[in-house]
Amino acid sequence: AQKVTQAQTEISVVEKEDVTLDCVYETRDTTYYLFWYKQPPSGELVFLIRRNSFDEQNEISGRYSWNFQKSTSSFNFTITASQVVDSAVYFCACLQGAQKLVFGQGTRLTINP
Amino acid sequence: GAGVSQTPSNKVTEKGKYVELRCDPISGHTALYWYRQSLGQGPEFLIYFQGTGAADDSGLPNDRFFAVRPEGSVSTLKIQRTERGDSAVYLCASSRGDITGELFFGEGSRLTVL
Repeated sequence: AQKVTQAQTEISVVEKEDVTLDCVYETRDTTYYLFWYKQPPSGELVFLIRRNSFDEQNEISGRYSWNFQKSTSSFNFTITASQVVDSAVYFCACLQGAQKLVFGQGTRLTINP
Repeated sequence: GAGVSQTPSNKVTEKGKYVELRCDPISGHTALYWYRQSLGQGPEFLIYFQGTGAADDSGLPNDRFFAVRPEGSVSTLKIQRTERGDSAVYLCASSRGDITGELFFGEGSRLTVL
């Protein structure tokens, strides 16, 4: 079964700092999918990115970037020039089977003005 | 709105009571999921529907939990003889049914069992 570990429980930074959220996964599958979701205070999880195991290219979307490294089983998420609106809980997840997401415990990110 | 709608947003009940939580998915989404999120934890999978049928119910913790989706749209999660340990936020999500895993979540139903 898949397992996802987010070792950082809470991170607090000052606005405009860069911040990296760590994610380490375990899987025996050769093909797998990894995700990041954001959970703002309202509670609903918002999809950020999906990455499949065949594609190790890093991805950048505005201030967000993701570093996928199969050699270390990591899928880290970096926010550049953080903003107060980035404050949320962020979850890394791995797809188990066809439709079941296995989530990490989440990292609570607080951006202070 | 056009998002996933969950009712009630908050439910307080007494131990031993029966509870129903409702989820109205995004129109046209064939797949529907229930997850449970305890305080400070990530969501845990409960059950997944493809259309009207439960394709995977391996996450339901015991036989006090049951979910239906009779017409392939709205789903109801039913909990019998509630226990204090059932207290959590119950999240519903829907998707187009492909394997992308891009789920659209509702804001959840917070259940408190006293």
